[in-house]
Amino acid sequence: ELKVEQNPLFLSMQEGKNYTIYCNYSTTSDRLYWYRQDPGKSLESLFVLLSNGAVKQEGRLMASLDTKARLSTLHITAAVHDLSATYFCASSQGGSEKLVFGKGMKLTVNP
Amino acid sequence: DVKVTQSSRYLVKRTGEKVFLECVQDMDHENMFWYRQDPGLGLRLIYFSYDVKMKEKGDIPEGYSVSREKKERFSLILESASTNQTSMYLCASSGGTGWELFFGEGSRLTVL
Repeated sequence: ELKVEQNPLFLSMQEGKNYTIYCNYSTTSDRLYWYRQDPGKSLESLFVLLSNGAVKQEGRLMASLDTKARLSTLHITAAVHDLSATYFCASSQGGSEKLVFGKGMKLTVNP
Repeated sequence: DVKVTQSSRYLVKRTGEKVFLECVQDMDHENMFWYRQDPGLGLRLIYFSYDVKMKEKGDIPEGYSVSREKKERFSLILESASTNQTSMYLCASSGGTGWELFFGEGSRLTVL
């Protein structure tokens, strides 16, 4: 059974700082997703990583995937307040369309 | 842009009532999903459908049923609502050549 774990679950950081958050998954998968959720809103797709070594960047966020380690990272560069949100990673099992989500990481960026 | 529309943003129902949550997508996606989201538990899959009239149980199907009579519409049914079904319900769809899951705005259900 696929399990997805995020670490940490809560993060408070200062504007301008860098940080990396982690997403581990328990079984072989070749797809990893990152989503953002603002309070009271739905989930917005950030990245879809489809192969080992994949790296994608959008603004101050960069995501990477290491399928051998079953690990994805989301790196935040020079954080700004607008990045405050909850970030979810998700993976799928054996080519299934069904996604399993982590519990989400609530990020607060303080001025 | 893909649009996934959930019929009700907020609902308040009484214990024992039958509840219908409707979801419509406009991108001809084959796959549709219902998740529930609870604080500290993340998103958990209730049911999904990969074609009209086809459905598969997710991780927490108990107390729920679904209906997919048309490709664009996927309904979640609570036959007899209970207070532990108070939650945010998220519908999503995927398909075509893309791998993304597109979510609706969510339906917040309160069962009294």
